[in-house]
Amino acid sequence: DAKTTQPNSMESNEEEPVHLPCNHSTISGTDYIHWYRQLPSQGPEYVIHGLTSNVNNRMASLAIAEDRKSSTLILHRATLRDAAVYYCILRPSGNTPLVFGKGTRLSVIA
Amino acid sequence: DADVTQTPRNRITKTGKRIMLECSQTKGHDRMYWYRQDPGLGLRLIYYSFDVKDINKGEISDGYSVSRQAQAKFSLSLESAIPNQTALYFCATSVGARQYFGPGTRLTVT
Repeated sequence: DAKTTQPNSMESNEEEPVHLPCNHSTISGTDYIHWYRQLPSQGPEYVIHGLTSNVNNRMASLAIAEDRKSSTLILHRATLRDAAVYYCILRPSGNTPLVFGKGTRLSVIA
Repeated sequence: DADVTQTPRNRITKTGKRIMLECSQTKGHDRMYWYRQDPGLGLRLIYYSFDVKDINKGEISDGYSVSRQAQAKFSLSLESAIPNQTALYFCATSVGARQYFGPGTRLTVT
């Protein structure tokens, strides 16, 4: 499986934007980039995914580098509820189970 | 979102005991998964099933077995529990690109 590299932890102030980076230099042309997050004491939840173009939804934006070797999850205005572990995952196809790394632990400071 | 439920939510058992963790979903998704999570780590895949007749081993299937009794039910068994199986266990379902996770079962083997 293609691997991703994320910082172990990041910190943000409440109501400020947060940019969570992910490196995936060995990504293949058919790998989708998925982001999930895990709030304390909960199962992971889907955030966003994309292939080549930048994507936006109500939770976040996903910015994908032109060479696809890196991507950035953008939370436009962090809230305390966004404190979680964020996982960047490459997924070859819709039928492939997610393979989780250690993710980035985001702390949000009031 | 898929309604994924897991029972029990917490369980303490002794070494050598047989234990079953159950997962049910109400959205009619064909694909179901079992993961375990150890402290500070990401989720690791134990088993997955793409339909009632399809069962596949994941990364860490040794010491575990599964049963897909119906489309809506996917059970995980530990035939003879050992202390290093103490972990948080998550069930998930998927449709399309997204996986939906249950709330987790915290299992302690003493």
